[in-house]
Amino acid sequence: QVQLVQSGAEVKKPGASVKVSCKASGYTFSAYYIHWVRQAPGQGLEWMGILNPTDGSTTFAQKFHGKITVTRDTSTSTVYMELSSLVSDDTAVFYCARESGSYRGIFDYWGQGTLVTVSS
Amino acid sequence: DIQMTQSPSTLSASVGDRVIITCRASQSISHWLAWYQQNPGKAPKLLVYMASNLESGVPSRFSGSGSGTEFTLTISSLQPDDFATYYCQQYNTYPYTFGQGTKVDI
Repeated sequence: QVQLVQSGAEVKKPGASVKVSCKASGYTFSAYYIHWVRQAPGQGLEWMGILNPTDGSTTFAQKFHGKITVTRDTSTSTVYMELSSLVSDDTAVFYCARESGSYRGIFDYWGQGTLVTVSS
Repeated sequence: DIQMTQSPSTLSASVGDRVIITCRASQSISHWLAWYQQNPGKAPKLLVYMASNLESGVPSRFSGSGSGTEFTLTISSLQPDDFATYYCQQYNTYPYTFGQGTKVDI
């Protein structure tokens, strides 16, 4: 069955970076785009960006340009999302989500979420 | 960016009630709209795509309608599992954007 398993919670100090992983299984990794979605505490969902696993190309929301780097390792079917220069406002749960193969733009499978806490 | 506005933000209802959630887009998105359900501490779950197509396995009491800028999600008879937060999402253009959410509580 399709699964996206994310790495565990992280606590980081302001100014640090964090790298969250999303390991895919149960399907052909290269055939489906992966998205990242942020959810600040008590807030709604915010789309961050998309990775094409075939060639590693990415598209990000403008507000995350320079903040986020997304890469993949096709040998382990894992996508990585790195956030740099962390500030307290970066505290959030980050989800990876698979884009449906039949209908672009919708997310049919989600990871369990990774809480990143930024605190001095 | 396309702004998505849901109403109401919170909805109090009882088991068996018919519930309607509205989502408005700041510009036309044709039928490129999805609805998700999220329970506390859980990842969102896809309910409806292309405005009115029910995702496989989603109970038939859920339905979606609309096009252009006005969309609705209807729950015909609210069940205990349905008390959750619901989000609309446009995927007409990047950046994809979500509504602020509608919390359905007792």
